[in-house]
Amino acid sequence: GAVVSQHPSWVICKSGTSVKIECRSLDFQATTMFWYRQFPKQSLMLMATSNEGSKATYEQGVEKDKFLINHASLTLSTLTVTSAHPEDSSFYICSARDWTSGEETQYFGPGTRLLVL
Amino acid sequence: GDSVTQMEGPVTLSEEAFLTINCTYTATGYPSLFWYVQYPGEGLQLLLKATKADDKGSNKGFEATYRKETTSFHLEKGSVQVSDSAVYFCALSDRRGAQKLVFGQGTRLTINP
Repeated sequence: GAVVSQHPSWVICKSGTSVKIECRSLDFQATTMFWYRQFPKQSLMLMATSNEGSKATYEQGVEKDKFLINHASLTLSTLTVTSAHPEDSSFYICSARDWTSGEETQYFGPGTRLLVL
Repeated sequence: GDSVTQMEGPVTLSEEAFLTINCTYTATGYPSLFWYVQYPGEGLQLLLKATKADDKGSNKGFEATYRKETTSFHLEKGSVQVSDSAVYFCALSDRRGAQKLVFGQGTRLTINP
């Protein structure tokens, strides 16, 4: 199946710094990628839909200035957590939509665990 | 809006037991339905899917049938293994607009030897 990678897998940063997380589709092109946030023992919460070459669409309650999304190519989307605070600590997961099988399937990255001290 | 409801966990079974994890959905259209599995410390992996009524998705011994009349997509496996221990998420895709996935709350499954 299709593969989606995320980098880094783990990041620890100081409060007030910015952190960039990359999401790549390795063997297919993805015009649409999604960013999720998952709290411990909870389900995934969709944060935003990332569209190649255009602005991301954010879900209600998600601060667009806090979570900057850039989808500069068909295989790369980045999420930047700006001025991170301890409450931003979470597991961030991206997914990419693939149409090459003839029908739409979302493939997920392995996730990035962010800890803000 | 669209929603997915899964049976509450955690679920604990012995190896070789029969597994059922219930999933029901509410949607205004005709969604595609999915089961994803998340192993400890990892992201989600697609386990199986069904795109229309009466379709059966299957993979690795797991099965789920798209039941439009009962709006359900229950996950089943005849004989579970310790390696099946994970969190299982039922999800739907509404096929409209951005076709976003809507997830259930997840069911944690633990299989004891």
